[in-house]
Amino acid sequence: SAVISQKPSRDICQRGTSLTIQCQVDSQVTMMFWYRQQPGQSLTLIATANQGSEATYESGFVIDKFPISRPNLTFSTLTVSNMSPEDSSIYLCSVDSGSTDTQYFGPGTRLTVL
Amino acid sequence: QKEVEQNSGPLSVPEGAIASLNCTYSDRGSQSFFWYRQYSGKSPELIMSIYSNGDKEDGRFTAQLNKASQYVSLLIRDSQPSDSATYLCAVNMGGGYQKVTFGIGTKLQVIP
Repeated sequence: SAVISQKPSRDICQRGTSLTIQCQVDSQVTMMFWYRQQPGQSLTLIATANQGSEATYESGFVIDKFPISRPNLTFSTLTVSNMSPEDSSIYLCSVDSGSTDTQYFGPGTRLTVL
Repeated sequence: QKEVEQNSGPLSVPEGAIASLNCTYSDRGSQSFFWYRQYSGKSPELIMSIYSNGDKEDGRFTAQLNKASQYVSLLIRDSQPSDSATYLCAVNMGGGYQKVTFGIGTKLQVIP
């Protein structure tokens, strides 16, 4: 499976600011996914990012709030914009295996908004 | 709305026993099913994938799939305290882009 890293691993931010989370993979992958996991809840898909095209957002998530970049086949960023305490969560990126629909997850970014 | 349902637990089993984790899903056309393990403060780790009806065994883990009943389970034999974690069931409901839907997860506690 691919080796996935995320930066930062955690951050504490002030209300109204923005944070960009980076996801780096050690091999080329077609699809990258961004999830949110709020305390005590399961994973919720925010968007799917393919290289060379705009991200596809799930219901309840909009590009203005969660802009995503996918400049190449090994890297993606998720920005959490104009943050509020409700955005406090763990943000995870994942990648597909390439041969099956299995997904592998990065270590996650723990975000706290004050 | 397409859903994956799990009992959040906690499920407590004694060390050495069999832990049985269950999951149901709403979309009858689902084709791919996954079990992930998530330790507290860590990201999900894939344990098993299953695509066909029946059992699939990997070491102490057995995944069971019954598409007619829309039911998938995970058995952990000879449970160890290190198995204590939250187990997430995930189902690809054919939403495109290899989209999977996750259940809330069952917290397993293995008591020494």
